[in-house]
Amino acid sequence: QKEVEQNSGPLSVPEGAIASLNCTYSDRVSQSFFWYRQYSGKSPELIMSIYSNGDKEDGRFTAQLNKASQYVSLLIRDSQPSDSATYLCAVNWYSSASKIIFGSGTRLSIRP
Amino acid sequence: ETGVTQTPRHLVMGMTNKKSLKCEQHLGHNAMYWYKQSAKKPLELMFVYNFKEQTENNSVPSRFSPECPNSSHLFLHLHTLQPEDSALYLCASSQGRNSPQETQYFGPGTRLLVL
Repeated sequence: QKEVEQNSGPLSVPEGAIASLNCTYSDRVSQSFFWYRQYSGKSPELIMSIYSNGDKEDGRFTAQLNKASQYVSLLIRDSQPSDSATYLCAVNWYSSASKIIFGSGTRLSIRP
Repeated sequence: ETGVTQTPRHLVMGMTNKKSLKCEQHLGHNAMYWYKQSAKKPLELMFVYNFKEQTENNSVPSRFSPECPNSSHLFLHLHTLQPEDSALYLCASSQGRNSPQETQYFGPGTRLLVL
């Protein structure tokens, strides 16, 4: 059973600090990884994708992938109250067909 | 806006009703998905269509019946639902190339309440 695990939180971070969200997955065959942000009552919104080991930066967001250790993380610099949301990690177990499995999400709260 | 629309946005139905959820994507994608999201649970994949063919049915009860008439439209027909089926139903689409870079884009969802 392929799994994606996240700490459910809530993770509370002061405004302006770095928020660090972590995700582990169970299978080394995984090919691609995604971070979605979901505000309460809304649908998931893609914010980052990463396919190879290392860091990928986009504005205040940095995704980090370590396939040997089977984890992917998301760093949010200069956290803003608008970053308060649930962050979903998703892993694409590509074999003969794309199959994306979502984690249960980490709730992030940015306190002013 | 992601280019994926869903109607209705909210739906209240009794257990004996029949209703349908509609999803439409304007992204030129070939794969479409139905997910269920219940409170405090991970997203649950229900059905996958790739080039109008159903490629996955994730052990979904028969009271949920999907229909994909073309690559741009996806329906979820509902009948004799149970209160525990109350959830947010999300539609998503992707290019359908079955590549590692396959990325899904979500619609706004339909909030369903079964009384």
